[in-house]
Amino acid sequence: DTGVSQNPRHKITKRGQNVTFRCDPISEHNRLYWYRQTLGQGPEFLTYFQNEAQLEKSRLLSDRFSAERPKGSFSTLEIQRTEQGDSAMYLCASSLGPAVSPLHFGNGTRLTVT
Amino acid sequence: AQKVTQAQTEISVVEKEDVTLDCVYETRDTTYYLFWYKQPPSGELVFLIRRNSFDEQNEISGRYSWNFQKSTSSFNFTITASQVVDSAVYFCALSEAGGAQKLVFGQGTRLTINP
Repeated sequence: DTGVSQNPRHKITKRGQNVTFRCDPISEHNRLYWYRQTLGQGPEFLTYFQNEAQLEKSRLLSDRFSAERPKGSFSTLEIQRTEQGDSAMYLCASSLGPAVSPLHFGNGTRLTVT
Repeated sequence: AQKVTQAQTEISVVEKEDVTLDCVYETRDTTYYLFWYKQPPSGELVFLIRRNSFDEQNEISGRYSWNFQKSTSSFNFTITASQVVDSAVYFCALSEAGGAQKLVFGQGTRLTINP
C-alpha cells in the first residue's frame, strides 16, 4: 500500500491558463474521488468514479472542469480558463467499494491562480 | 440537505490535558455514516473513525474516544492526556449510506497542544 499519490504538489498559474492535475489511487481501489478545499474550510465533494465511469458530479464542478479516469486506474482533473476563485487545494481520495469504506486521501495539489 | 457543524474553530490546551471536539450534524436520512479525519500540517487527511447510524456504542481507541448520540445529533471526539503530536485540524464528516461516499465535512477545529 503506497498510498494515494497526487502530482504536482503545487501549481501556480496565470488567470486564463489551463491546468491539469494527476491522481494515482491505491492500486486495488475501484473508487476515486476529487474534493476541493479552500483555506479554513472543510473539503467539498467535486466528483466520483467507480472504475472508469464518472458516476456523479457536484454542482461545484462548472463546465470549465473535467475529470477522467480512462483505464480505471489514475485520474486527471483539468481546469480550463482558470479564475482566481479556482485557487484551492485539490484533494484526491480512493476507496474499495461497494461497501462504505474509509477514504484514503492524497496530499493534494495546491493551485494558486494569479 | 446534509450539514455538519463544528462550532469550535480553534482550541488550545496544554499537553496532558483532556480535550473534546464537538460535532453536530443534520440529515434527513435514517441510515448514514459519521467520520472523523485528522489533517496534520503536511495536509494529508488521515481517517480516524467511521460510525454507522445504527451503532450508538461509544468507542475508545487508545487515548481517543468518541461519543455518538442520535438524540442530540452529535458525534463528539475526546483526546485524553493530549500530546503535542495531536496538534492538527480535525474534521467531522457525514455521508449517506449507499452509493458514492460524498462526504460532507464540517469546517474543522484547529487543535494546538502546547508543551
